[in-house]
Amino acid sequence: AQSVTQLDSHVSVSEGTPVLLRCNYSSSYSPSLFWYVQHPNKGLQLLLKYTSAATLVKGINGFEAEFKKSETSFHLTKPSAHMSDAAEYFCVVTLNTGGFKTIFGAGTRLFVKA
Amino acid sequence: DVKVTQSSRYLVKRTGEKVFLECVQDMDHENMFWYRQDPGLGLRLIYFSYDVKMKEKGDIPEGYSVSREKKERFSLILESASTNQTSMYLCASSLPERSTGELFFGEGSRLTVL
Repeated sequence: AQSVTQLDSHVSVSEGTPVLLRCNYSSSYSPSLFWYVQHPNKGLQLLLKYTSAATLVKGINGFEAEFKKSETSFHLTKPSAHMSDAAEYFCVVTLNTGGFKTIFGAGTRLFVKA
Repeated sequence: DVKVTQSSRYLVKRTGEKVFLECVQDMDHENMFWYRQDPGLGLRLIYFSYDVKMKEKGDIPEGYSVSREKKERFSLILESASTNQTSMYLCASSLPERSTGELFFGEGSRLTVL
């Protein structure tokens, strides 16, 4: 069965410290992997995507993620958190099974302390 | 810049009212989707459409219907609103199967049913 697990429902960091948001997936197909960010009362915005090219993917606002097939992981990182990074982050897997199937993780809320 | 527009950001309706949520995209995307987002439940797919006048049920279609008369517009209809349909509704669009499955989201429509 296909699934996406975001290992932390909440993560709290201090401003200027690194961010790590963890995501594992389970799939028998070759996935495309995405991270989206959602600020309060807003829609989801794409941060970055992996689509079978380079395994280290750079996104907007200094975020990056590394696809590790052996670990079935796609963790999101940022070297130095900013207050504006406080939001909810979704790891998403899209499978091309003849038609697209999109599976959302449950989300990780990132808190950034001053 | 690509854009998905949900015309109503906040709505308050009474139980039993008919509710229309409109979504328009300007990217000539074939695929359009309606999700609802609830705390603790993440994003759940209500309906989607791969072409004009075509619709498919998602995971939670009960109590909803949709209309896609034009490629750019996908409407979600609540025939008789109920309090358990109070939620954040997100519209999204994407390119067809030959693409990566990246979703483009609107800003959301927050519906309260009293």
